Order: sequence, then C-alpha cells, then structure tokens
Amino acid sequence: GESVGLHLPTLSVQEGDNSIINCAYSNSASDYFIWYKQESGKGPQFIIDIRSNMDKRQGQRVTVLLNKTVKHLSLQIAATQPGDSAVYFCAGRGGYQKVTFGTGTKLQVIP
Amino acid sequence: SAVISQKPSRDICQRGTSLTIQCQVDSQVTMMFWYRQQPGQSLTLIATANQGSEATYESGFVIDKFPISRPNLTFSTLTVSNMSPEDSSIYLCSVVDSGANVLTFGAGSRLTVL
Repeated sequence: GESVGLHLPTLSVQEGDNSIINCAYSNSASDYFIWYKQESGKGPQFIIDIRSNMDKRQGQRVTVLLNKTVKHLSLQIAATQPGDSAVYFCAGRGGYQKVTFGTGTKLQVIP
Repeated sequence: SAVISQKPSRDICQRGTSLTIQCQVDSQVTMMFWYRQQPGQSLTLIATANQGSEATYESGFVIDKFPISRPNLTFSTLTVSNMSPEDSSIYLCSVVDSGANVLTFGAGSRLTVL
C-alpha cells in the first residue's frame, strides 16, 4: 500500500508569515493527494487535494504543490493566522477510496 | 457535507472489557471506514465497513479484536474487544462524502484503558 511521511514534526511560524509544510511519499499509486488539518479534540478536516496528474492547486490562502519526480508534496499557507495552529497531515488516496496518512506536522503560530 | 456523530466521545475502560463505538451519518453513504489514532500519532486504517457484508480489515487488524457491524447505509459500530492499555487511542469513523468526493471524519472516540 501507499506510504506517506513528513519531513518535519513541528513548525513554528510568526503570525502573518507564510507557512510551508512538506511531505514525502514512496508509493506512486495514489490518484489523489490530500491535506488534512486536525485541531485538538477534533477529527481531521479536509483542506485541499490535488489529482496526481496536476502539479499545483490553489485554494483560499492555501496552495498544494506536487512534484512527482521526487515524490514530494507541500502545503503552503499564506499569511498564517493563530487559527491555523493545528496538526497537518498529508495523505494519499488509493484503490477502493482508501486513504493512507502521513505522520503529521504540528504548526504553531506565534502571535 | 456529511455530518458524522460518534458515541461515546470518550470513555475510560478496564482491562479485559469490550466497548462498542457507534457511528451515525446524516445521509446514506456507500463507503465507511474506521481509523485508529494512537496518542501523538497519525491515523491508521483499521477496516472498511461494508453494508450487508463482512468488513474488510487492513493488515494487523482482525475481526476477533475489532468486530464491525454495518446494518445500513447510515450506521456502523466498531467494538474493541478484550481491551489492553495498548488499545488506548482515538477511534475515528469516516465516510466518503459522495457530493464532494472527500473523506469526512467524525470527532472521534477517545478510549483510555486502565
């Protein structure tokens, strides 16, 4: 099955700065790559996804970049806010809609 | 998007007992999954709950330990059997929201086994 992992376990960012969270994956069978945000005491919340045949997708304040050559995925958050503080997971979706999660990065926004 | 309710939200259990977690969805869904999230860890898929047939378990998870029911398209249960402290985790129900084609999660059930 897919194996997805993250480079950095924690990331501290000043409020207003941009955040970049990175993720590496080892199996190219995923048809979608997804970013989730998990706040304390809650289930993961979908942020944005990208099809495996794309290299960039933008949402509101977030951009996901996919580099299939080096099997790397990143989430960029513009103008990071205190409400962005959470754990972020990358994930890959494979057969039968099964989603495999990476290890997670904790984002701490410094006011 | 689909709204998922899980019960209990948290519980403290004694070693050797079993606990059943319920997952209720506000709409009919085809695909329903159960995940485990151990303290400070990522999410690991336990099984796919299939309506009208036996659940499909991932490697490392077995039906005797984690029996699953899926009586209809809006409800599922996961039982954690013969619990040990190693079973202390958050157990999350998730569904594929057919409208958005997105995996949506409940808030989870936090189990602590003493």
